[in-house]
Amino acid sequence: DSGVTQTPKHLITATGQRVTLRCSPRSGDLSVYWYQQSLDQGLQFLIQYYNGEERAKGNILERFSAQQFPDLHSELNLSSLELGDSALYFCASSPRTGGERGEQYFGPGTRLTVT
Amino acid sequence: GQNIDQPTEMTATEGAIVQINCTYQTSGFNGLFWYQQHAGEAPTFLSYNVLDGLEEKGRFSSFLSRSKGYSYLLLKELQMKDSASYLCAVRPDRGSTLGRLYFGRGTQLTVWP
Repeated sequence: DSGVTQTPKHLITATGQRVTLRCSPRSGDLSVYWYQQSLDQGLQFLIQYYNGEERAKGNILERFSAQQFPDLHSELNLSSLELGDSALYFCASSPRTGGERGEQYFGPGTRLTVT
Repeated sequence: GQNIDQPTEMTATEGAIVQINCTYQTSGFNGLFWYQQHAGEAPTFLSYNVLDGLEEKGRFSSFLSRSKGYSYLLLKELQMKDSASYLCAVRPDRGSTLGRLYFGRGTQLTVWP
């Protein structure tokens, strides 16, 4: 158990819908990262928040957005869902980055199926 | 862009040694990580290299050559439970609050009895 929690574990929805994935980082971790893992793309970085502020963006679609709240939990919002958005979505957290080791601890993931 | 390459699949027998290679070309370099991922589960941290050389941790060792853009993960005394995907990841950014990782596609290791 990494200490990172994600809900829901599974989500099945239809094309065109909107969903919200939730992540609670490990106690004390200020950074939250979102990754998408699909069979054809591997594990891809989407976005990072640090202490409530967006710090880095990867190949995140405009239909996707995220935020980190004052209690440090984060939500990833996916809208106008398409079949290709079906994937495992992981949240990870780390205490610090940069000069320190700063390894990331991953939550169990949310498996999204778009039908 | 970020380019991280590793073999798709490898097989080995129980008790043997296996080396999983990773080559990378990234916009910057501030550390290389290896993660283990069992099917349907979260990646778990195995090792970290930021300077050239070998880091050893029990049955697992990881090597880095920054000039060659090359790393390997060495697994000794293989056990059945080591069957998993091994992900190589690079952190390209420096800075105290930047830590995004770029991952290779993973190497699926199968350990046979």
